[in-house]
Amino acid sequence: DAGITQSPRHKVTETGTPVTLRCHQTENHRYMYWYRQDPGHGLRLIHYSYGVKDTDKGEVSDGYSVSRSKTEDFLLTLESATSSQTSVYFCAISGTEKGMELFFGSGTQLSVL
Amino acid sequence: GDSVTQMEGPVTLSEEAFLTINCTYTATGYPSLFWYVQYPGEGLQLLLKATKADDKGSNKGFEATYRKETTSFHLEKGSVQVSDSAVYFCALSDRPGNTPLVFGKGTRLSVIA
Repeated sequence: DAGITQSPRHKVTETGTPVTLRCHQTENHRYMYWYRQDPGHGLRLIHYSYGVKDTDKGEVSDGYSVSRSKTEDFLLTLESATSSQTSVYFCAISGTEKGMELFFGSGTQLSVL
Repeated sequence: GDSVTQMEGPVTLSEEAFLTINCTYTATGYPSLFWYVQYPGEGLQLLLKATKADDKGSNKGFEATYRKETTSFHLEKGSVQVSDSAVYFCALSDRPGNTPLVFGKGTRLSVIA
């Protein structure tokens, strides 16, 4: 199994509070991604990173920011959480040696009340 | 933009039945195509892939053929098992390298004994 750890696994928070989700990898892969999974929408890309300090937006990036100060860590921050951000968040990684195959973490269930 | 359309679920089958999950795509170039599977409580994992027209991807008894003329990549299995119960995602990448995948909405499969 690819070494990807997401934390926390579950979180309940209140509307308006900041939230940070962490993705940690031990594979030294260059590329990291944050997706959200919602019923009826499948997986949608929030942000991705193609190297340390190099990030780009996905299709649903509003209300989210990311940071990657080290190869192994990719942080997703909800600046001011809203109920529409209640979702399951998945981190994924890929490395050039594996082509386009993505390896996924186990997910973070976030509930914003 | 690029998109993937999957047949809506849920799909319920009896053990040993034949499975087909339809997937069609829209892309500007010649994409690579993927099927991912998500078992309950887990992240997604790659099931199979095809990188050019007429390629057939296969794994664990599942198969899918890249049909450029019909822009399709239907997933098939001749005899499903209870352990195949999961959510299946079709995905594409239209550029080489580690570009983010575009996912379909997923199809939930339930296999009953």
